[in-house]
Amino acid sequence: DAGVTQSPTHLIKTRGQQVTLRCSPKSGHDTVSWYQQALGQGPQFIFQYYEEEERQRGNFPDRFSGHQFPNYSSELNVNALLLGDSALYLCASSLVGEPQHFGDGTRLSIL
Amino acid sequence: GQQVMQIPQYQHVQEGEDFTTYCNSSTTLSNIQWYKQRPGGHPVFLIQLVKSGEVKKQKRLTFQFGEAKKNSSLHITATQTTDVGTYFCAGWGNTPLVFGKGTRLSVIA
Repeated sequence: DAGVTQSPTHLIKTRGQQVTLRCSPKSGHDTVSWYQQALGQGPQFIFQYYEEEERQRGNFPDRFSGHQFPNYSSELNVNALLLGDSALYLCASSLVGEPQHFGDGTRLSIL
Repeated sequence: GQQVMQIPQYQHVQEGEDFTTYCNSSTTLSNIQWYKQRPGGHPVFLIQLVKSGEVKKQKRLTFQFGEAKKNSSLHITATQTTDVGTYFCAGWGNTPLVFGKGTRLSVIA
């Protein structure tokens, strides 16, 4: 039973570029949440998807957008990348009301 | 907005000593969750507390939720080298899940 899988594991981009990160939830899970974790900080909630719709959103600009597909997998898109977007991006999946399972994350570096 | 604060930021203990981390929220929480993140790893869910004054135990770990549902603590008895990592609390209140900055635990053998 595969857990949460994220791709790619590492990514290097330059300022102004756009990036797409991908997440496959744990089997049986229907809810996907995305978090940004800067070095030495706790994860910060970006948004949550359920039934292919954004259900909740944290305090992130519109440059951060996402999508959930019918098979529950999800993408996180970030436009006009800034140096401050460098972080570990974590995807977590769950059933509504159940504990979250995190993936290993995508480490994004902006040059 | 809602803030979740954790202290201490770092804790170094000798193997066998006890360890406690404290979590305080600026607002009342509907529930609080605790996670452990090993160096280079991802957060792993440990437990969720929902009721005021709730106490839960997992082997050497004891979790408490304050009566006012604004604070929580994690206590580890007789630490082992396998306890190394960063412990995060995360609270659900009037905003989506808010994580504290974590307490990084080092255990000296």
